[in-house]
Amino acid sequence: DQQVKQNSPSLSVQEGRISILNCDYTNSMFDYFLWYKKYPAEGPTFLISISSIKDKNEDGRFTVFLNKSAKHLSLHIVPSQPGDSAVYFCAARMNDMRFGAGTRLTVKP
Amino acid sequence: DAGITQSPRHKVTETGTPVTLRCHQTENHRYMYWYRQDPGHGLRLIHYSYGVKDTDKGEVSDGYSVSRSKTEDFLLTLESATSSQTSVYFCAISESTANYEQYFGPGTRLTVT
Repeated sequence: DQQVKQNSPSLSVQEGRISILNCDYTNSMFDYFLWYKKYPAEGPTFLISISSIKDKNEDGRFTVFLNKSAKHLSLHIVPSQPGDSAVYFCAARMNDMRFGAGTRLTVKP
Repeated sequence: DAGITQSPRHKVTETGTPVTLRCHQTENHRYMYWYRQDPGHGLRLIHYSYGVKDTDKGEVSDGYSVSRSKTEDFLLTLESATSSQTSVYFCAISESTANYEQYFGPGTRLTVT
């Protein structure tokens, strides 16, 4: 029973454009959401987070939006850079952390 | 980067053999976690620890046991490895409140033949 879903396994964007990665969840009890970035042969690294009491959090080129009524969050990367090419996992916290299956982002020069 | 190491980084073993993976941290963080990553599933929590000798089960704990005798070390043991346990295993740590930002180790790729 996957409570956190990333329905797009892959996404390809042009350098300089916006990347939008999406995540849906089913459990309204999640109180904190995070995005992690993973390069091949490395562990995931924390990118950005948002509390369930907020609807937006911004950190440089990265913005996370939370729509609680739709149980949906998204990560916007503007402008996208080739170094952003990685697998992105969304995660949601209740008693423990639940991760989505990941979206592979490719940013083309 | 958080000081987390995992050993071994790669291991191939046969079905039915015991396997122990080690996670070592130099950050003195209280919470430690073991995850497995499989295609189509993302990361799934196996076990976690909230202090020395304090551990609890995660989402996919069957077939795994853990031990934490020191703050810095968290061991994951597969008592009798099966092919379904072929995976990439990640250790993670977090500082204070459980399950806020976690910092991950580099992973161990385990193949059970």
